[in-house]
Amino acid sequence: DAGITQSPRHKVTETGTPVTLRCHQTENHRYMYWYRQDPGHGLRLIHYSYGVKDTDKGEVSDGYSVSRSKTEDFLLTLESATSSQTSVYFCAIRPASTDTQYFGPGTRLTVL
Amino acid sequence: GENVEQHPSTLSVQEGDSAVIKCTYSDSASNYFPWYKQELGKGPQLIIDIRSNVGEKKDQRIAVTLNKTAKHFSLHITETQPEDSAVYFCAASDREGAQKLVFGQGTRLTINP
Repeated sequence: DAGITQSPRHKVTETGTPVTLRCHQTENHRYMYWYRQDPGHGLRLIHYSYGVKDTDKGEVSDGYSVSRSKTEDFLLTLESATSSQTSVYFCAIRPASTDTQYFGPGTRLTVL
Repeated sequence: GENVEQHPSTLSVQEGDSAVIKCTYSDSASNYFPWYKQELGKGPQLIIDIRSNVGEKKDQRIAVTLNKTAKHFSLHITETQPEDSAVYFCAASDREGAQKLVFGQGTRLTINP
């Protein structure tokens, strides 16, 4: 599992509430990513980080923000959750020395 | 931006037969093409990848081929086994900077005993 944990693993929330998902890595890799997975769409990049306080948008960033104040943690925040954000969210890390992205176990988020 | 199309969406083969999954990409700047396998309830796991300076790569029963001119790449699994049943994703990116992967829609592969 490349030392990646995601929390929570499951969450049910209501429309309009804020939600924060956490990705934690144990090996201090530079690159971290947040993806969402929906049927028929594969995985789509939301945001990524290339260092502490260095983040940028992916292809589906609207409605999401991220923060990385420590190398090991990458937080994804839904400021005001909507039903369209019901999805499975995956965090990934990539060691700077390789091309391979390693994925965490995922967080299943349901917005009612 | 990059767009990756993957076919078929579902594939069912008899155990021991071969399976082929195909992907096309749109951005000629893409030069890295990984394949991921995802089992139920788990995150995707890399099974093989290929870079644009190589036309084919093989790892035991799995192989990937790349045609840069036509902008397509394929995953080949030979002598399929029940444990090969999973969802497979192709992806494409350039290798510069942060490497933003663009994924195909996925193929659900079922191996029938």
